[in-house]
Amino acid sequence: KQEVTQIPAALSVPEGENLVLNCSFTDSAIYNLQWFRQDPGKGLTSLLLIQSSQREQTSGRLNASLDKSSGRSTLYIAASQPGDSATYLCAVNSGYSTLTFGKGTMLLVSP
Amino acid sequence: NAGVTQTPKFRVLKTGQSMTLLCAQDMNHEYMYWYRQDPGMGLRLIHYSVGEGTTAKGEVPDGYNVSRLKKQNFLLGLESAAPSQTSVYFCASSYSRAGGEQFFGPGTRLTVL
Repeated sequence: KQEVTQIPAALSVPEGENLVLNCSFTDSAIYNLQWFRQDPGKGLTSLLLIQSSQREQTSGRLNASLDKSSGRSTLYIAASQPGDSATYLCAVNSGYSTLTFGKGTMLLVSP
Repeated sequence: NAGVTQTPKFRVLKTGQSMTLLCAQDMNHEYMYWYRQDPGMGLRLIHYSVGEGTTAKGEVPDGYNVSRLKKQNFLLGLESAAPSQTSVYFCASSYSRAGGEQFFGPGTRLTVL
């Protein structure tokens, strides 16, 4: 059974810092990995999707990497802003029409 | 495009009552999913559908039923609600099983008293 772990569970940084969120998974036989953002009381917004054949994806100040063989992904956020404050979720698609989610990293960026 | 929409946004039920949550998507996606999100447990898959007229069980299907009579709609039913079903329910859809990005609705917050 696929298990997804996100470290740290919570992170507080001052505005302007570059930061890295970590995601690890136990079964490397995946189709893709998706990073989401969730604001309090809201739904999930897809940030980046990395296919199993890719090493990284970039969108604006966000960069996600994937090392399938070691079961790891990182989400890099450059020049963090207070508007980046949210919970970030990592989810792995193991190909059976399902996503297995980590429990998230709660990020707070202070002005 | 509205994307994925969910009805209702909030609902309070008494134990034993029944209700249906409606999910609709306008992206012509084949695959649709129902998840629940609980504090400390993360998101867990309840049921999913790989096309019109099909449904399958996910990780936590007990106490729920689903139907996919039309491609754009996926219904989640609670026949006899229990307090353990108090949760936030999210619907999602994707265009393919293997490589498809999943898009989520805004959620339904359900409280069972």
